Amino acid sequence: DADVTQTPRNRITKTGKRIMLECSQTKGHDRMYWYRQDPGLGLRLIYYSFDVKDINKGEISDGYSVSRQAQAKFSLSLESAIPNQTALYFCATSDKNRGGNTGELFFGEGSRLTVL
Amino acid sequence: GQSLEQPSEVTAVEGAIVQINCTYQTSGFYGLSWYQQHDGGAPTFLSYNALDGLEETGRFSSFLSRSDSYGYLLLQELQMKDSASYFCAVRDSGRGSTLGRLYFGRGTQLTVWP
Repeated sequence: DADVTQTPRNRITKTGKRIMLECSQTKGHDRMYWYRQDPGLGLRLIYYSFDVKDINKGEISDGYSVSRQAQAKFSLSLESAIPNQTALYFCATSDKNRGGNTGELFFGEGSRLTVL
Repeated sequence: GQSLEQPSEVTAVEGAIVQINCTYQTSGFYGLSWYQQHDGGAPTFLSYNALDGLEETGRFSSFLSRSDSYGYLLLQELQMKDSASYFCAVRDSGRGSTLGRLYFGRGTQLTVWP
């Protein structure tokens, strides 16, 4: 089983719908992240959480919200989806010590979202 | 803010050596990481440089020059399976909750020909 699991892997939805992407991890890491990937734009940070009570905005948080339900779970919500939110979304985790020192993130397999 | 520049595409043949450069401008800097991503897959961590110099891990090496705000990933004895996108990323040295954030470049698509 994957250490970082994202659901759903693929989702097609319509403009205005609420969408939730879920991420769970079995690595025991404190830190969790949500990134968005668009062709030619690399990975852009949406939100990140360094522990259950710590939530921070990233580079492109507008239109998104997150919830850290437990150390192992971090969900991303689009309250009212719009077409330019069509993208590949990645959840990632890092260990406070090792990741904090080496920049090593562990990524899930991605959730491809299409907003029509 | 953070800005990273890397070439969009690189091509090479099997067995060759290729170097992917990354220049960065950051308000704070802790280190430079490299990630590999195969088409449709998840990014995977390759290497990290916090100090100047060369770090070698098998066929892959990564170099950093902090004074030049420059680094590169060197791939030797290229294989077809090395065809992928490669991303450089800088680790923020900002205070508080920004510490440890990673900012990614736009990626370099490497194509290895037989």
